[in-house]
Amino acid sequence: IAGITQAPTSQILAAGRRMTLRCTQDMRHNAMYWYRQDLGLGLRLIHYSNTAGTTGKGEVPDGYSVSRANTDDFPLTLASAVPSQTSVYFCASSEQGFTGANVLTFGAGSRLTVL
Amino acid sequence: QKEVEQDPGPLSVPEGAIVSLNCTYSNSAFQYFMWYRQYSRKGPELLMYTYSSGNKEDGRFTAQVDKSSKYISLFIRDSQPSDSATYLCAMNFRNSGYSTLTFGKGTMLLVSP
Repeated sequence: IAGITQAPTSQILAAGRRMTLRCTQDMRHNAMYWYRQDLGLGLRLIHYSNTAGTTGKGEVPDGYSVSRANTDDFPLTLASAVPSQTSVYFCASSEQGFTGANVLTFGAGSRLTVL
Repeated sequence: QKEVEQDPGPLSVPEGAIVSLNCTYSNSAFQYFMWYRQYSRKGPELLMYTYSSGNKEDGRFTAQVDKSSKYISLFIRDSQPSDSATYLCAMNFRNSGYSTLTFGKGTMLLVSP
C-alpha cells in the first residue's frame, strides 16, 4: 500500500539523548514535511523539504534538524532531547507544484516522550 | 491573532444529526481550502478540498467556502458514530513558488449511538 512509513511508532527517551525519527514515502512526492502535534496547539510545522537536496525551517525548528538526501527519505533528528519535545510527530508528503492545492498525505505518527 | 481559528470542541451530537464544523481565517490570499479527518492515535487524512468560494459535495459531506466572510464550513449529514474524530481545516495560497498549509487546531466531534 502506497504511503508514508514512520519509525519508531513510540519511544521513551532520556533528556540529553540524541534521537532520529525516520520517515519514508513511496509515492515519489517531491515535498516532505515534519509536524509536531500538541494538545491545544494543533499541528505545527518543524521543517520541510520542497525537493531532494533542499530543506527549510518551519514554525518551530529549534532543537531539530533534517536532511533530504533522496526523494523517499526525510529523517528528523533531535540532537539533545529536552522534555518540551515530548509530542506526537507526523511526517507528511505532497506533490508540490507551483499551482493548485497543496494536498498532504500523513504518516501514522511517532509518539515521543522525553523524561 | 492566529491566521486560522477553529473551535476545539468537543462537539457532541446524537447519531443521525447534521453537524456543522467551521473555521475562520484572516488572510484573504488563501485560495485552497481543505478538511482533514484525524482518528484517535492516527495521522490526519484528507476528506475534501475546494478552490475559492462555493460548495462541494461528497456523499454525506459538504464543504462550503465564503471568501467574503473568510469563513469555511464542513457539513456532515446523517452523522454516524464512525464520524467521531478530530476535524482539521487547512488552507494555502499560491503567489509564485511553493507554499505550505496553514492548519486550524481542529474540532473534536463525538457522535453517540
